[in-house]
Amino acid sequence: SAVISQKPSRDICQRGTSLTIQCQVDSQVTMMFWYRQQPGQSLTLIATANQGSEATYESGFVIDKFPISRPNLTFSTLTVSNMSPEDSSIYLCSVEGALAGGRISTDTQYFGPGTRLTVL
Amino acid sequence: GESVGLHLPTLSVQEGDNSIINCAYSNSASDYFIWYKQESGKGPQFIIDIRSNMDKRQGQRVTVLLNKTVKHLSLQIAATQPGDSAVYFCAENRLSGGSNYKLTFGKGTLLTVNP
Repeated sequence: SAVISQKPSRDICQRGTSLTIQCQVDSQVTMMFWYRQQPGQSLTLIATANQGSEATYESGFVIDKFPISRPNLTFSTLTVSNMSPEDSSIYLCSVEGALAGGRISTDTQYFGPGTRLTVL
Repeated sequence: GESVGLHLPTLSVQEGDNSIINCAYSNSASDYFIWYKQESGKGPQFIIDIRSNMDKRQGQRVTVLLNKTVKHLSLQIAATQPGDSAVYFCAENRLSGGSNYKLTFGKGTLLTVNP
């Protein structure tokens, strides 16, 4: 599986500000995703980060609130904009389809360690 | 079973016992299922997967059973150890809008292993 890192690992932010979370993979992958996990809850998909084009957002999530970039096959960012306390969550990136020697691996998703965000 | 709000289903076992964690899924068209383990403060970790053309798959100390008739998935952990204490999520991979597949996660089960 790929090694996935996220920055920052945690942050405490003031309401009305924005935070950009970075996700870096140690190998090229076809798919990258962003999830939100609210305290004590399961994971909810925010969007699929598409390389070279606009992200595909799930119902209830919009680009103005969660702009996403994916400039290449190993890196993506998620910005949480104009934050409110309701945005306090763990934000997770995941990857799928590692490219290794031209052979695409299974469609299993592997997750980063998460970014724990608290908004005051 | 299902949970409401912030209350996860919980399972408490003694070290050395076998654990069985259950999951019901909703979409009969789902063709791929994954179990993840999430320890406190960490991201979900892949444990084992199974495709819909199988009803059983075994890994190291873990077995996943799939019953498509009743849309039920279970994870069996043999000789449970304190390090197995975590929240366990099942996830189903289902077609969502055209040709895109999407992982949908269950609510999770908190496993506590007592020494």
